[in-house]
Amino acid sequence: AQSVTQLGSHVSVSEGALVLLRCNYSSSVPPYLFWYVQYPNQGLQLLLKYTSAATLVKGINGFEAEFKKSETSFHLTKPSAHMSDAAEYFCAVSDQWGAQKLVFGQGTRLTINP
Amino acid sequence: EPEVTQTPSHQVTQMGQEVILRCVPISNHLYFYWYRQILGQKVEFLVSFYNNEISEKSEIFDDQFSVERPDGSNFTLKIRSTKLEDSAMYFCASRDADRDEKLFFGSGTQLSVL
Repeated sequence: AQSVTQLGSHVSVSEGALVLLRCNYSSSVPPYLFWYVQYPNQGLQLLLKYTSAATLVKGINGFEAEFKKSETSFHLTKPSAHMSDAAEYFCAVSDQWGAQKLVFGQGTRLTINP
Repeated sequence: EPEVTQTPSHQVTQMGQEVILRCVPISNHLYFYWYRQILGQKVEFLVSFYNNEISEKSEIFDDQFSVERPDGSNFTLKIRSTKLEDSAMYFCASRDADRDEKLFFGSGTQLSVL
């Protein structure tokens, strides 16, 4: 069975500071990994995905994530936080190409301080 | 960018009543999903639907739940006799067969069972 653990339900950083949102996964097969973002009153939007190509994945809005098999991690980073990055971020894993069934982490709420 | 539309945004119902949650997926998408998030818990997969039939469902999706694509545009989730524990945010999602890995989510319907 697959699972995802996001360390920290709430992360707060200053504008311009590094954003680091942690995600660890458990999967019995090579995983497909995703980060989704949810802005207030909106649906989840795909930020980036890992599908067994490059281990460093670049997404939208300046975010990137690195797949580390030895650490079973897929942490999300952004060098410099903007106020507009305030949202809830979800890490998810799938064992099937095509995202048939995503297993989500519990989410991390990112707050940006001016 | 095209959107998945869900209605209503909020629904309040009495325990034991039937509810229908409605979704309009993106028009050329072929794969449809329902997920839900109970307050404070993870986003959970409920069901996937393709070619007018369920392709996969979770343990949560018991006989009280059903899905339907009644016409060419709508995708509905019916809960036959609601229970208190059905209170959650329900997300509809759709996927284009040619872009397998990206799910497009709606903004959700908050269901409150009293």
